[in-house]
Amino acid sequence: RKEVEQDPGPFNVPEGATVAFNCTYSNSASQSFFWYRQDCRKEPKLLMSVYSSGNEDGRFTAQLNRASQYISLLIRDSKLSDSATYLCVVKNQAGTALIFGKGTTLSVSS
Amino acid sequence: DTGVSQDPRHKITKRGQNVTFRCDPISEHNRLYWYRQTLGQGPEFLTYFQNEAQLEKSRLLSDRFSAERPKGSFSTLEIQRTEQGDSAMYLCASSESGARTEAFFGQGTRLTVV
Repeated sequence: RKEVEQDPGPFNVPEGATVAFNCTYSNSASQSFFWYRQDCRKEPKLLMSVYSSGNEDGRFTAQLNRASQYISLLIRDSKLSDSATYLCVVKNQAGTALIFGKGTTLSVSS
Repeated sequence: DTGVSQDPRHKITKRGQNVTFRCDPISEHNRLYWYRQTLGQGPEFLTYFQNEAQLEKSRLLSDRFSAERPKGSFSTLEIQRTEQGDSAMYLCASSESGARTEAFFGQGTRLTVV
């Protein structure tokens, strides 16, 4: 089993749609969780950290379920500019590595 | 520009040659990571430095790969006797200490082995 697994993409949605990405991780001792965004042929950039209590940043909401080892990202009112690959990231217990999922590609169309 | 800097941005080399990449992290960051990314995949962890100490190495890092961070500032990644399978984007990232600190990535070095 891969350490971090994400929904296979791609997700093709119209502007204004709500879309949700899911991610599971295998190491129950993992401590920190993130969503990164990667545009085509660019480097990954932090979208948001994921906290146990859940957190929201504008149209983006991240949730963590430690019991199920599950992380989610919800994007409301999708914009064309949201088109990118979304990477689920887990920091290992020792804090010495960020483990990335394969990524889920989102394409928002007008 | 005070972000993570990588050099070169692109490298084409013949199979069997050695290549070396450089990463300059954000100056106050003591953590430095190297990753490899191929098309359609997420970044794969290669190695991690805390200051000058290499504290973690992936199984992906074969004996042809070596990384250094001699003074706890810039880092180099060397690949010896390159193979076509080494063709990928090599990404460097840096962060401050702390569990929730953001890792900032450089723009990467794209290696093509012909």
